[in-house]
Amino acid sequence: GAGVSQSPSNKVTEKGKDVELRCDPISGHTALYWYRQSLGQGLEFLIYFQGNSAPDKSGLPSDRFSAERTGGSVSTLTIQRTQQEDSAVYLCASSATGPSKPQHFGDGTRLSIL
Amino acid sequence: AQTVTQSQPEMSVQEAETVTLSCTYDTSENNYYLFWYKQPPSRQMILVIRQEAYKQQNATENRFSVNFQKAAKSFSLKISDSQLGDTAMYFCAFDPPGANNLFFGTGTRLTVIP
Repeated sequence: GAGVSQSPSNKVTEKGKDVELRCDPISGHTALYWYRQSLGQGLEFLIYFQGNSAPDKSGLPSDRFSAERTGGSVSTLTIQRTQQEDSAVYLCASSATGPSKPQHFGDGTRLSIL
Repeated sequence: AQTVTQSQPEMSVQEAETVTLSCTYDTSENNYYLFWYKQPPSRQMILVIRQEAYKQQNATENRFSVNFQKAAKSFSLKISDSQLGDTAMYFCAFDPPGANNLFFGTGTRLTVIP
């Protein structure tokens, strides 16, 4: 039973570059979430996927952020033209469908923008 | 708006002692779920305990228990017989009905002192 897998574990890039972060959820989990955790802060919701439904993108902070989920499984979060304020840990979680559906988190990607 | 407040940024406890972490939340909903997550330096968010609002009985998981006061909108976590491995950030999270994401507090950094 593999858990949620995220890659890369750490990413350092220059301001203005594009980055892609990957999340592989737990097999069979239909819901997938992306959160951002800035230094000393709680988790900020970014985007939610549920099965084949349209994603809830209400948490994306700007149009530089986008995400997709292919085949209802792996998800990629893309940040274009990165800014220093994008530096954070990006956490992915997945859950089964239903009430009291605890979210299972990956280890996150620590993104550092120089 | 759903808000979660953790008023203790940092706490410490002697090994084998008991510590209580505070959490309050604001909602007009009646049925919802509450969670405590632990985040060790490895960054992975680990579910510690969950509480369903319609259940009056406080949830318990081994050394971890909660004091859920629905009227006061309070959800504190008690850790008994603290162990060195309990050193971590602890986040309180609120899951309202119909929401696509969890709402997190800013966390409490707990240090267990040998």
